[in-house]
Amino acid sequence: QKEVEQNSGPLSVPEGAIASLNCTYSDRGSQSFFWYRQYSGKSPELIMFIYSNGDKEDGRFTAQLNKASQYVSLLIRDSQPSDSATYLCAVNMNRDDKIIFGKGTRLHILP
Amino acid sequence: IAGITQAPTSQILAAGRRMTLRCTQDMRHNAMYWYRQDLGLGLRLIHYSNTAGTTGKGEVPDGYSVSRANTDDFPLTLASAVPSQTSVYFCASSEEGIRSEQYFGPGTRLTVT
Repeated sequence: QKEVEQNSGPLSVPEGAIASLNCTYSDRGSQSFFWYRQYSGKSPELIMFIYSNGDKEDGRFTAQLNKASQYVSLLIRDSQPSDSATYLCAVNMNRDDKIIFGKGTRLHILP
Repeated sequence: IAGITQAPTSQILAAGRRMTLRCTQDMRHNAMYWYRQDLGLGLRLIHYSNTAGTTGKGEVPDGYSVSRANTDDFPLTLASAVPSQTSVYFCASSEEGIRSEQYFGPGTRLTVT
């Protein structure tokens, strides 16, 4: 199993709908989880971070963490064309205290 | 506040040449990182520094060296560039180390010919 796994996409979502991005990780002891957005040709930009099981909401974004099932997800409500980007999941691996990035999911919001 | 700056923005370098990529942050963050991003391979950590005066190796450190003489600067040096080092390089920083959120610089696009 890859350490941090994301579906590469592209994930196409109609404007105004909810986009759901998923990420699974291998290290059950992982403590910190991050979502970054990366536009083409630009650097990653932090969207959300979550440390505890459950949901964390920030505006149109909600991060969901389930440590028992080893997945973290990002929900984007009321999707806008400007949300079209690659979304990177990053996990702090507990066993050797390093951070691993997934390869990203390309999201395309259809106008 | 500029955040993190990187220089140069892009560079074409002949194989065998020495090159230093510069990274400066003004957020007084303790930790800094260097990543490379390649199509299909994602972001991979090259080297990191948890605090001024200390450095550590990441996932792909071979062919690269770093130094951290002060809090703000974290240069990455390619001693003798090879074509496989063609990539986009991102510098990042975080306030408290690997478990806290990282903020990225704009990147340097390096082509080794």
